[in-house]
Amino acid sequence: DAKTTQPPSMDCAEGRAANLPCNHSTISGNEYVYWYRQIHSQGPQYIIHGLKNNETNEMASLIITEDRKSSTLILPHATLRDTAVYYCIVKRGFGNEKLTFGTGTRLTIIP
Amino acid sequence: GAGVSQTPSNKVTEKGKYVELRCDPISGHTALYWYRQSLGQGPEFLIYFQGTGAADDSGLPNDRFFAVRPEGSVSTLKIQRTERGDSAVYLCASSPSGGGRETQYFGPGTRLLVL
Repeated sequence: DAKTTQPPSMDCAEGRAANLPCNHSTISGNEYVYWYRQIHSQGPQYIIHGLKNNETNEMASLIITEDRKSSTLILPHATLRDTAVYYCIVKRGFGNEKLTFGTGTRLTIIP
Repeated sequence: GAGVSQTPSNKVTEKGKYVELRCDPISGHTALYWYRQSLGQGPEFLIYFQGTGAADDSGLPNDRFFAVRPEGSVSTLKIQRTERGDSAVYLCASSPSGGGRETQYFGPGTRLLVL
């Protein structure tokens, strides 16, 4: 699976959009971009995933660049409960079921 | 419905002892995963079960670690002759059938401390 690079930490004001970047310059054509988050003392929680088109669900939006070498997770109206470590993971859509986590981005929402 | 549950939530043991950690996946999920998370790090894959069989055990660090899932539901991670370096949070996850694009649902983890 391709490796990812994320900033170690970010702050965002409550109510503003949080934009979390991820670089995955060695991504292959059959690899998806996944985002999970981990709130303190809990297990990771799935947020969203995508292949090449932008995706949106009730939690977030995922913007993937045209060359697929980077992506941005957007939390449109951050709340204090969004404070967590956010992991960007690249994995194949088949045949390789494990998730390979990096160290993620620690997002702190400021009141 | 109930999520993934893990017991115990905390376990303290002494170096050299044997421990068992239990995972109850979401009902009906055939795929089950174990991960280990050291302080300040992301979770690290240990083993993946599809039904009763271990489909990928490439992440088990050595032969002191073993996991079973005899009836394709509950799984037990077993650690023999524990070492202080085994101290970590052990996470279990399940997914409906293990397909590559399925969401993995994680439990809260078991925090293991080896003294």
